[in-house]
Amino acid sequence: NAGVMQNPRHLVRRRGQEARLRCSPMKGHSHVYWYRQLPEEGLKFMVYLQKENIIDESGMPKERFSAEFPKEGPSILRIQQVVRGDSAAYFCASSPNRGSSGANVLTFGAGSRLTVL
Amino acid sequence: AQSVTQLDSQVPVFEEAPVELRCNYSSSVSVYLFWYVQYPNQGLQLLLKYLSGSTLVKGINGFEAEFNKSQTSFHLRKPSVHISDTAEYFCAVSNSSGGYNKLIFGAGTRLAVHP
Repeated sequence: NAGVMQNPRHLVRRRGQEARLRCSPMKGHSHVYWYRQLPEEGLKFMVYLQKENIIDESGMPKERFSAEFPKEGPSILRIQQVVRGDSAAYFCASSPNRGSSGANVLTFGAGSRLTVL
Repeated sequence: AQSVTQLDSQVPVFEEAPVELRCNYSSSVSVYLFWYVQYPNQGLQLLLKYLSGSTLVKGINGFEAEFNKSQTSFHLRKPSVHISDTAEYFCAVSNSSGGYNKLIFGAGTRLAVHP
């Protein structure tokens, strides 16, 4: 079991470019969560997705940020027209369905560190 | 709304000394509680969790935590720390009756173990 896989681990973008961060949940997990960690701060919830559905996006900035979790393939967090304030570590976590063993625990990936020049 | 307060942003301690990292939460509903550890430039690893049952929870690497409902606390303890315990520690809470595991994190406590 490879765990939660995130790529790229490090991404450098210039202001105005687009950033795409990918997350493959653990095998058998159908729930994906994205968190952002700004320098010297804790993790802030961004969005929760199930396959093909956004369930809770209350932590997503209103503009430039979007997320998807298609039927096939990884979950994608997309940031358009990046600004310096987007520089952060973005973590993905996954969990199995309710009622499954471990359903109440999130397993985190190693994160994607975005640097905006 | 739920929130988590980690009372100490940094905790320096000497090797083999005991340590306690404090965590208080606020919530109007029943909660699940977690401690995660983050080593430099890495992701979060689950140390331990409280879901129900015994209020004293034992985790990995010799850590334990006690859920105190009346004081709304979930302090993390270790009787004797090692240099390798140097890391950032995050306390988190989720709604036990919610349909999904939206974790709310504290700001973190940086544990620095000195020789």
